[in-house]
Amino acid sequence: QKEVEQNSGPLSVPEGAIASLNCTYSDRGSQSFFWYRQYSGKSPELIMFIYSNGDKEDGRFTAQLNKASQYVSLLIRDSQPSDSATYLCAVSTDKLIFGTGTRLQVFP
Amino acid sequence: DAGVIQSPRHEVTEMGQEVTLRCKPISGHDYLFWYRQTMMQGLELLVYFNNKAVMDDSGMPKDRFSAKMPNASFSTLKIQPSEPRDSAVYFCASSLDPQPQHFGDGTRLSIL
Repeated sequence: QKEVEQNSGPLSVPEGAIASLNCTYSDRGSQSFFWYRQYSGKSPELIMFIYSNGDKEDGRFTAQLNKASQYVSLLIRDSQPSDSATYLCAVSTDKLIFGTGTRLQVFP
Repeated sequence: DAGVIQSPRHEVTEMGQEVTLRCKPISGHDYLFWYRQTMMQGLELLVYFNNKAVMDDSGMPKDRFSAKMPNASFSTLKIQPSEPRDSAVYFCASSLDPQPQHFGDGTRLSIL
């Protein structure tokens, strides 16, 4: 079992819809959770982080954490074609472990 | 503010050659990380430093890879001898605390 699991996608959503990206992790001792966005050929860019159970909102992005279920998600509201990228979930205990990413495609 | 700076951006070399990747972290960042990214394995941590000291190199193949941080503003990752399976994008990242990390643009390495 991989430490951080994501569906590789692609996840295709129409412009204006809500995109829901999911991630599960295996280490119950994980303390911090991050979402990075990576455009093709570019480096990962931090877009959200969450430390506590519940929701955290930042603009069109909402991160959700459920430590009991070992589950973290990212919602993107009003999806735009510019959101098309790979989204990497990362989980931290003593070091940061990345999932392999979910490719999101937003079509006009 | 300058971000994490990596060089070279692209490297193509033949199997068996020595490869040196370089990284300048963001000024004031105490943590420096080297990652390797491939389609199959995703983003893997090779090694990381805190205040120039190696904290964890368990992800680094030690028979051919070595990482150094001689000062707070410079780090190298060396591969000797290089092999085709080392072909990947290598990212350097830095941070004030262990998280969150800020990534450089990466070095795309191809070993023929």
